[in-house]
Amino acid sequence: EADIYQTPRYLVIGTGKKITLECSQTMGHDKMYWYQQDPGMELHLIHYSYGVNSTEKGDLSSESTVSRIRTEHFPLTLESARPSHTSQYLCASSGDRAFNSPLHFGNGTRLTVT
Amino acid sequence: QQQVKQSPQSLIVQKGGISIINCAYENTAFDYFPWYQQFPGKGPALLIAIRPDVSEKKEGRFTISFNKSAKQFSLHIMDSQPGDSATYFCAAKLWNYGGSQGNLIFGKGTKLSVKP
Repeated sequence: EADIYQTPRYLVIGTGKKITLECSQTMGHDKMYWYQQDPGMELHLIHYSYGVNSTEKGDLSSESTVSRIRTEHFPLTLESARPSHTSQYLCASSGDRAFNSPLHFGNGTRLTVT
Repeated sequence: QQQVKQSPQSLIVQKGGISIINCAYENTAFDYFPWYQQFPGKGPALLIAIRPDVSEKKEGRFTISFNKSAKQFSLHIMDSQPGDSATYFCAAKLWNYGGSQGNLIFGKGTKLSVKP
């Protein structure tokens, strides 16, 4: 089983609050990703990083920001949460360049903004 | 917008039956097609994958069939078991893009329920 951890698992928070979703991996992977997943919808890539101090926005526009100060840590921050941010957020990592280098996902954080 | 269209949205199969999930893609430059399996409360995990130089790949009870001319690929689960009940996502990517699966385009998922 992949060693990628997300906290918290569930978060209910009021509008306007600042939140940080944590993601850590112990596999030494350089590449890390954040996906947003809504029920009955595909996974949308919102941020990715190919290494320390490298971050890029994904295909789905998001008001969140990310940082990559350490290889193993890739937190996602929302400065001011809104009900439209209610969703499940999945963190993933992958090894470098090998053909059989799959995405390893965490178990997700389900965020509800009231 | 690059898309991968997945059907059906949900599927109910009796134990021992065959589950079939279909996907179609638009971008002919896609050259890597994985399937991910997601159980409730868990993140998706890679189940099986195929590249378009072969028409079929089998791993145990799971088979991918690939039709390059039709731009379609499907997942077949033989002898379906209640433990196979999960959501299945097909995906596609340009293999040479970054050398990783970080830019996968996912389908919307199929919720499979296998009844005992």
